[in-house]
Amino acid sequence: SQQGEEDPQALSIQEGENATMNCSYKTSINNLQWYRQNSGRGLVHLILIRSNEREKHSGRLRVTLDTSKKSSSLLITASRAADTASYFCVTGSNDYKLSFGAGTTVTVRA
Amino acid sequence: DAGVTQSPTHLIKTRGQHVTLRCSPISGHKSVSWYQQVLGQGPQFIFQYYEKEERGRGNFPDRFSARQFPNYSSELNVNALLLGDSALYLCASSFGRSSGNTIYFGEGSWLTVV
Repeated sequence: SQQGEEDPQALSIQEGENATMNCSYKTSINNLQWYRQNSGRGLVHLILIRSNEREKHSGRLRVTLDTSKKSSSLLITASRAADTASYFCVTGSNDYKLSFGAGTTVTVRA
Repeated sequence: DAGVTQSPTHLIKTRGQHVTLRCSPISGHKSVSWYQQVLGQGPQFIFQYYEKEERGRGNFPDRFSARQFPNYSSELNVNALLLGDSALYLCASSFGRSSGNTIYFGEGSWLTVV
């Protein structure tokens, strides 16, 4: 797999607001996955979107995928303090490994 | 169902020592991968084991080794520890070996080398 590049590097929002972060990649993919990591903890799988899908929802999460632009976005609606974490996008292929970027650090202020 | 479990959760070692980290994958998962995450960075791939054989290796020195047991659990061994080995070591499991599968991570083992 190849490295996803998240943007912005850091994001600070008020509780209740929406948070949007973007991911870009360079080559063709089979799917793209988003993970969340709370400080010092393991990664939690949030959502997987396949290359033939354009949008996917899971609870307060909405992921879009634009394969023509080689980009994806993750929207968290009505953010909560518990959403404070780092978010990583990772592209999936027939390769055996995941390549992570530096992630987007989201801080939700009470 | 239990998720990916790792032990120990925290440990402190001295430079030059050896460390063994352990991982139990989700039941039914045959692939185990190891990642190193240094503070402030994303995880970096170290190894993948699938059906008890090494299937992939990242850009890490030979001081790093691993193995997978018949029950699909795994150990990561690091010899001659350096200060730079201080990191969170993450184990991940999946049913298949490709990154196209959903991959589940454990909580990690925090290693501090002093």
